[in-house]
Amino acid sequence: DAGITQSPRHKVTETGTPVTLRCHQTENHRYMYWYRQDPGHGLRLIHYSYGVKDTDKGEVSDGYSVSRSKTEDFLLTLESATSSQTSVYFCAISDPSGGQETQYFGPGTRLLVL
Amino acid sequence: EDQVTQSPEALRLQEGESSSLNCSYTVSGLRGLFWYRQDPGKGPEFLFTLYSAGEEKEKERLKATLTKKESFLHITAPKPEDSATYLCAVRGAGSYQLTFGKGTKLSVIP
Repeated sequence: DAGITQSPRHKVTETGTPVTLRCHQTENHRYMYWYRQDPGHGLRLIHYSYGVKDTDKGEVSDGYSVSRSKTEDFLLTLESATSSQTSVYFCAISDPSGGQETQYFGPGTRLLVL
Repeated sequence: EDQVTQSPEALRLQEGESSSLNCSYTVSGLRGLFWYRQDPGKGPEFLFTLYSAGEEKEKERLKATLTKKESFLHITAPKPEDSATYLCAVRGAGSYQLTFGKGTKLSVIP
């Protein structure tokens, strides 16, 4: 298994509250990603990072921000959580430098916004 | 815009009954087609990456194939432990984003 951990694994919060999810990897992969998974939708990319302090937006980035101060950590922040952000959030990592495009996923964080 | 459509949405098989899952895609400059397995409450588990039409990969009872428009995941003599949701995704040129299908939920009945 790829060395990816996510914390917390479960969280319940209230509308308007800031929330930060953490992804930690031990593989030294350059690229890290945040996806959300909702019923009726495939996994959708929120933000990704291609290096320390280098990030870019994905398909569903509104309402989310990210930061990456170290290779191993990628943080996802909901500045003011809304009920529409209730979802399961997955972190993924990849290392395309050797032509290997595969992304490996973490165990997920289940977030409920009341 | 990259698109992925998986069929069927759900499939019930008897143990030992072979079948195939379909993944149809449109993408600008395929950089990879990916198959994952996802168990309830867990993250997607990587199965295969295919890069070009005609490529095939196998792992135990699973075999993935790729054409220019679709990919198949063939399951030979499935067992109950093969029950899971199988996800297909593509990556196009110029983007690191994976575009996922909605998945096929496979149930293998003993």
